[in-house]
Order: sequence, then C-alpha cells, then structure tokens
Amino acid sequence: DQQVKQNSPSLSVQEGRISILNCDYTNSMFDYFLWYKKYPAEGPTFLISISSIKDKNEDGRFTVFLNKSAKHLSLHIVPSQPGDSAVYFCAARLNAGKSTFGDGTTLTVKP
Amino acid sequence: NAGVMQNPRHLVRRRGQEARLRCSPMKGHSHVYWYRQLPEEGLKFMVYLQKENIIDESGMPKERFSAEFPKEGPSILRIQQVVRGDSAAYFCASSTLLDQGDEQFFGPGTRLTVL
Repeated sequence: DQQVKQNSPSLSVQEGRISILNCDYTNSMFDYFLWYKKYPAEGPTFLISISSIKDKNEDGRFTVFLNKSAKHLSLHIVPSQPGDSAVYFCAARLNAGKSTFGDGTTLTVKP
Repeated sequence: NAGVMQNPRHLVRRRGQEARLRCSPMKGHSHVYWYRQLPEEGLKFMVYLQKENIIDESGMPKERFSAEFPKEGPSILRIQQVVRGDSAAYFCASSTLLDQGDEQFFGPGTRLTVL
C-alpha cells in the first residue's frame, strides 16, 4: 500500500514556463510534507516543505501548495530553468522521524 | 561543515558475502536514517537510529539486515549473506530533530551491486 504517490513518472516543460509536479497521499495523519530534488549519483537535496496547518509555502521560484481535503500537494517552479532538470520526490511525515517517499517525477526543462 | 558522508560509494559483493555500509552524520546531528532505493522506485525507509538506540526499524527486512549507531563512530548498515535482490542504492540521512520541521540531510549514497 503506497501511501505517497506521484502519478506522473516524467514531465517536460520549456525553459521559462511553469513546472507543476503533483503528489497524492492517503494517510490523513501525515502532518508535514517535503519536496526533494535528486540528480543522478547524488543523494536527495531538500527543496521546500509545508506543514499541514498551512496551504501554501513559497521560497523564490518554488511554491508548494497543500490541499488537505483532497490529500494533494503540488510543487510549482516558475520560471523553469534547464538546471531544474532532475528527479523530484515528494515525501510525507507522520511524526518526527521517518519520511515516506513517492516514486519520483523526472523533470526535463528544455532550453 | 562537512555534509553527510557515506562510504564506500560503490560496493560489489558476491552472493552470500556480507556488506557493510557506513554513514557519518553531519556535525551536531544525533539522528540517523537509512533508506533504500531500488531502480525506478522512490526511497523506502528502513531504520531510524539515535546514538546507541534503534528508534524505528519498521522498514528493515526481518532477516540478514541490521543497523547500529554506536556512541563513537559512524552508523553501520550491515547486510549478511547478500542476494541479488539487495542490489540497490542505500542512502543515509541525518537531522537534529529538534522539531517536526527539521530537515533531513542526505548523503551521496552507497550503490551496492550483488553479483
């Protein structure tokens, strides 16, 4: 039973446009959500997070939106840059400690 | 401040051998997590440790796998009698875990190949 799902394995966007990466979860007890970026042969790097008591968090070009009623969150990157090309993982925490990850979405930003 | 360090970066073992993966957390971090990533999949939680204590091992296979985080030295993930299905990337993360929002910093991973 996969509690965190990223239904799009890949996404391709043009440089300068918006990238929207989606994530769904099933466990309503999750209270903290995170997005990580991963390049090949490297470990994941933290991007941005959001607490379940909020519906939006913004950091520069990155914004995360949380819709608790739909159990859905999304990461918006605008404007997208070629250097953003990587695998993006959504993760959720039930309590302080372990994170449950989705399977990732590979983003390709074309120049 | 050095990041999370993992070694070796690549490890090749034959079936039946033992694999030892090491993780040195960031300075000041007392919480360590191990995750495994199979090809084309996300990271799967294995175990969460504090110094000398296993806090949550709900993701660890019941047999052949063990983990420790001694008072001194790195955390060790040990896989006995490896099988081909153990081939994966193993990532370690560390945090201060002062509160729920504390970020987990990941190491570069150890890529285990079982021949």
